[in-house]
Amino acid sequence: EAQVTQNPRYLITVTGKKLTVTCSQNMNHEYMSWYRQDPGLGLRQIYYSMNVEVTDKGDVPEGYKVSRKEKRNFPLILESPSPNQTSLYFCASAQLLSYNEQFFGPGTRLTVL
Amino acid sequence: DQQVKQNSPSLSVQEGRISILNCDYTNSMFDYFLWYKKYPAEGPTFLISISSIKDKNEDGRFTVFLNKSAKHLSLHIVPSQPGDSAVYFCAANPASSGGSNYKLTFGKGTLLTVNP
Repeated sequence: EAQVTQNPRYLITVTGKKLTVTCSQNMNHEYMSWYRQDPGLGLRQIYYSMNVEVTDKGDVPEGYKVSRKEKRNFPLILESPSPNQTSLYFCASAQLLSYNEQFFGPGTRLTVL
Repeated sequence: DQQVKQNSPSLSVQEGRISILNCDYTNSMFDYFLWYKKYPAEGPTFLISISSIKDKNEDGRFTVFLNKSAKHLSLHIVPSQPGDSAVYFCAANPASSGGSNYKLTFGKGTLLTVNP
């Protein structure tokens, strides 16, 4: 089954404790992206990647890091999480030529205390 | 500054009637527009798109209209069904201008409720 998987699905952590949210896709997509969804703010793009070792900032990259060492994986790293990073995070992937039509993962609910 | 605006947080319609969801944008460089649908506890799913060279695109019960002069697009669902109840996000991206731009900008979403 074609899918985008994210782990963990739920995470409660404390301020300053480094964490990684993993994202993996099995569709051989070149394009991958991370979004956060917050009440009243909709979906905002954090980072995206056009292919292995090629990444770029979205609209809200501050406080996040990403890496794309393999085509199928695109982890989101929070080096020092803060309460304002409490959010619902979505990973997405797409073929590069039709990158607007993205397949989203189920989401990761992160709470930073 | 919100470049893609969905000014109606919610919309309620009766089953069988038409649902019209609206979206306005401010960036004149946007040239491709999409609608995504999101059910609770799931990720968004792509619904329908339209290029700026068109003013209408239809896919079954879903039609998207684009008015470039007004910087406005709308999604029409006819007839509406209870299973259409979800949050609908409008999204847009700009044309490449001498390079690649793979960003996608979303609106805040509109919660559609279709009552049986």
